[in-house]
Amino acid sequence: EAGVTQFPSHSVIEKGQTVTLRCDPISGHDNLYWYRRVMGKEIKFLLHFVKESKQDESGMPNNRFLAERTGGTYSTLKVQPAELEDSGVYFCASSHWVEQFFGPGTRLTVL
Amino acid sequence: TQLLEQSPQFLSIQEGENLTVYCNSSSVFSSLQWYRQEPGEGPVLLVTVVTGGEVKKLKRLTFQFGDARKDSSLHITAAQPGDTGLYLCAGETHAGNMLTFGGGTRLMVKP
Repeated sequence: EAGVTQFPSHSVIEKGQTVTLRCDPISGHDNLYWYRRVMGKEIKFLLHFVKESKQDESGMPNNRFLAERTGGTYSTLKVQPAELEDSGVYFCASSHWVEQFFGPGTRLTVL
Repeated sequence: TQLLEQSPQFLSIQEGENLTVYCNSSSVFSSLQWYRQEPGEGPVLLVTVVTGGEVKKLKRLTFQFGDARKDSSLHITAAQPGDTGLYLCAGETHAGNMLTFGGGTRLMVKP
């Protein structure tokens, strides 16, 4: 069974630019989560999809972040415009019920 | 806001020694998950504990969930250099909901 995949693995952009991160969950997992770790801090929740619906987006930092999951399969997280403080590692996870399985993350660097 | 306090933050020990990592909170969790993370990779699930007082063993690793489901511990017996890595605890308040992560324990086992 393939695990959670994320693309790209690294992204370096300049402040003000737009970046789109992609996550492909484990097949059959209705739950998809986005998390991020910024330098020196713990991993923090961003949002949770159940199929194509946003179940909980309480962790989204501001309206520069937009997540979608059209068709209930893969998800994208767009940051527009990116700011310096958005730098960090963005993780995607998926679950069928309790246990969440994480992807390798996308390391975003905003210069 | 739920917080998970994980300790110690760093631990450097010799091969063969025992160690315990603690995760404490004032909040009750429906389940608690322990992960291990290697550099450049996402967290890999080690175990999930769901019942107060539950003890689970994974080879030389013993995981315990507190009776009140507010705390958990990970004990490693006879640590090996291959145990080196970042250990993370994460709690879930309801099945399928977001994870709240501890800050992590960076373990180094020297040969």
